[in-house]
Amino acid sequence: ETGVTQTPRHLVMGMTNKKSLKCEQHLGHNAMYWYKQSAKKPLELMFVYNFKEQTENNSVPSRFSPECPNSSHLFLHLHTLQPEDSALYLCASSLRGHPQETQYFGPGTRLLVL
Amino acid sequence: ILNVEQSPQSLHVQEGDSTNFTCSFPSSNFYALHWYRWETAKSPEALFVMTLNGDEKKKGRISATLNTKEGYSYLYIKGSQPEDSATYLCASNTNAGKSTFGDGTTLTVKP
Repeated sequence: ETGVTQTPRHLVMGMTNKKSLKCEQHLGHNAMYWYKQSAKKPLELMFVYNFKEQTENNSVPSRFSPECPNSSHLFLHLHTLQPEDSALYLCASSLRGHPQETQYFGPGTRLLVL
Repeated sequence: ILNVEQSPQSLHVQEGDSTNFTCSFPSSNFYALHWYRWETAKSPEALFVMTLNGDEKKKGRISATLNTKEGYSYLYIKGSQPEDSATYLCASNTNAGKSTFGDGTTLTVKP
């Protein structure tokens, strides 16, 4: 248990569906991250939130829409996804978002887009 | 080096063997190097973070070194055990906070 939870753990959705991924951290951290891992590719940073403000958007398509209502919760809203968006989506948190801080990861959501 | 590269991609060793793998990263704008251990169906778990050239960190049988001038880090496992089987990821962070991960080295330790 890392103190970071993600729901759901598995998700299958059609290209016209709208769904949301949820991440919650119980560590008192102020920075939260979304990562994507596609098959046979390295982990790729998508978004960073620091004290609820988005500080990084790594050229992510607008069909992915993040939301950070408070420092403990992070959502990734999904709409009109493509099959190539099928991947493992990992959430992480760190204390203040500094580059030398350890990031604590959740177990991920395995997404399949049909 | 433009990206973070890890080698080898996979490694099979016998229980008791010692092993090491490499992470190469761009040395420009470097700020921190992270090593993570990722077991199947679990969350990536932080092992080490290193920032200074010549840094060495140790945690039990696992240790790591850092050379920021030439842009590489080594991870060593002494006396590998089956429970060490996992994918070992490194990530390089720039001073602007950009984090880039390598593909990982998948270690399998046979009893």
